[in-house]
Amino acid sequence: NAGVTQTPKFQVLKTGQSMTLQCAQDMNHNSMYWYRQDPGMGLRLIYYSASEGTTDKGEVPNGYNVSRLNKREFSLRLESAAPSQTSVYFCASSQQGTSAFFGQGTRLTVV
Amino acid sequence: ELKVEQNPLFLSMQEGKNYTIYCNYSTTSDRLYWYRQDPGKSLESLFVLLSNGAVKQEGRLMASLDTKARLSTLHITAAVHDLSATYFCAVGSSNYQLIWGAGTKLIIKP
Repeated sequence: NAGVTQTPKFQVLKTGQSMTLQCAQDMNHNSMYWYRQDPGMGLRLIYYSASEGTTDKGEVPNGYNVSRLNKREFSLRLESAAPSQTSVYFCASSQQGTSAFFGQGTRLTVV
Repeated sequence: ELKVEQNPLFLSMQEGKNYTIYCNYSTTSDRLYWYRQDPGKSLESLFVLLSNGAVKQEGRLMASLDTKARLSTLHITAAVHDLSATYFCAVGSSNYQLIWGAGTKLIIKP
């Protein structure tokens, strides 16, 4: 079972570069999420999609955009990367009220 | 605004001992989750607690929820080295969001 698949696993960007993080789930979940995890902090929600065709801002959306391409796929785009966006990014999916399943994470460094 | 506090943030203990991690939250919620994260790895769901008085157990871990006190506990019984990890609680807010605690890094020494 693949579950939630994120790509890439590692990425180094220069300040000002753009990139898209890809996420796909094969569990037929309605809801999908993008989080960032920084040392000593819990996860912070960047954006979420409650269902196909909808997206909403989370706690820390500035500097990011998302696309819910279809029910399976939810991508996160950094238009102009900044060092403050150095973090580990996790994609997750769930059905409402149940536990979320997480991808393996993307370690992003912006220099 | 929903806030979630975990304590302790760091815990070092000997194998065979018992200990409890606490998760306090500031406003009413109808769902609380516990997750485990190994270093450099993803998050793994441990428990979902959906009602007052809910208690769930898996092996040496037991989680409980008191919605009136806005408190959940994760109790570790007779700890073993394999339980070393960071444990997070997350509380459901009014929309689809989860608000996360900062995590408790647990080190269990043989």
